[in-house]
Amino acid sequence: DAGVIQSPRHEVTEMGQEVTLRCKPISGHDYLFWYRQTMMRGLELLIYFNNNVPIDDSGMPEDRFSAKMPNASFSTLKIQPSEPRDSAVYFCASSLRDISGNTIYFGEGSWLTVV
Amino acid sequence: GENVEQHPSTLSVQEGDSAVIKCTYSDSASNYFPWYKQELGKRPQLIIDIRSNVGEKKDQRIAVTLNKTAKHFSLHITETQPEDSAVYFCAASTAYNQGGKLIFGQGTELSVKP
Repeated sequence: DAGVIQSPRHEVTEMGQEVTLRCKPISGHDYLFWYRQTMMRGLELLIYFNNNVPIDDSGMPEDRFSAKMPNASFSTLKIQPSEPRDSAVYFCASSLRDISGNTIYFGEGSWLTVV
Repeated sequence: GENVEQHPSTLSVQEGDSAVIKCTYSDSASNYFPWYKQELGKRPQLIIDIRSNVGEKKDQRIAVTLNKTAKHFSLHITETQPEDSAVYFCAASTAYNQGGKLIFGQGTELSVKP
C-alpha cells in the first residue's frame, strides 16, 4: 500500500484565500484523522471520522475550518478565509479499528504558509 | 478529556548512553499508549506501543514501561546512536470505537552527540 497520501505537499497562499487540503487514507482503514502541528501547540487533533462520519470535531479551531469525507477513500480539510496564524503542517492519518487501541499512520503532511 | 504531559522537552546524550522520556496522562480509561518518532521535515512514525494489559514491552534497543496506577509511561532507548536524534512524541487514548481519540504529548527533542 502507498500509505496515506496528502496533497498538496506545500502551499503558500495569501491571507483571505481559500485553502483545500486533500487526503487519501490507507485502503481498508475505517478511521481518518486530521492533525495540525505547530511549534507552539504541538500535534493537535482537529477532527476525526469513522466510516466517513465525523465523530469528534471539538478540535476544529473555528468556523473558518471545515472537513468532509464524501467516501472511504477521500477527505478534505478546508480553511476559508485563511489567516497567517493558520500556517502549520497539517497531517492526515488513518487507522483500522481495534477494540483495544489503534495504530494510526500519518501522511507526509501538507505544509501551509499563509502570508 | 485526555491530557498528556511529556518531559523533558529537550534531551541531549552522548552516543552509547541511555535516554529516558516520561509521560503522564489524565484519563484513567486510556488503554493504548504509542510512541512516535519524527525526524526533521518528516511525518511522525510509530516506533513502539503498549496496551494497558502489559507493564513493559521491548523491541531491540527500545523499551516502554507503563504504570497504570500512577498514570505514567516511559520510553527507554539504550545504546543511543546519532540516528536516534529526532523528536519523540508519546500519546494516549481509549479505543476509538469507544469514542477515544489519540492525544499527543508536547514532544521531546532528543539529540545524540557522537
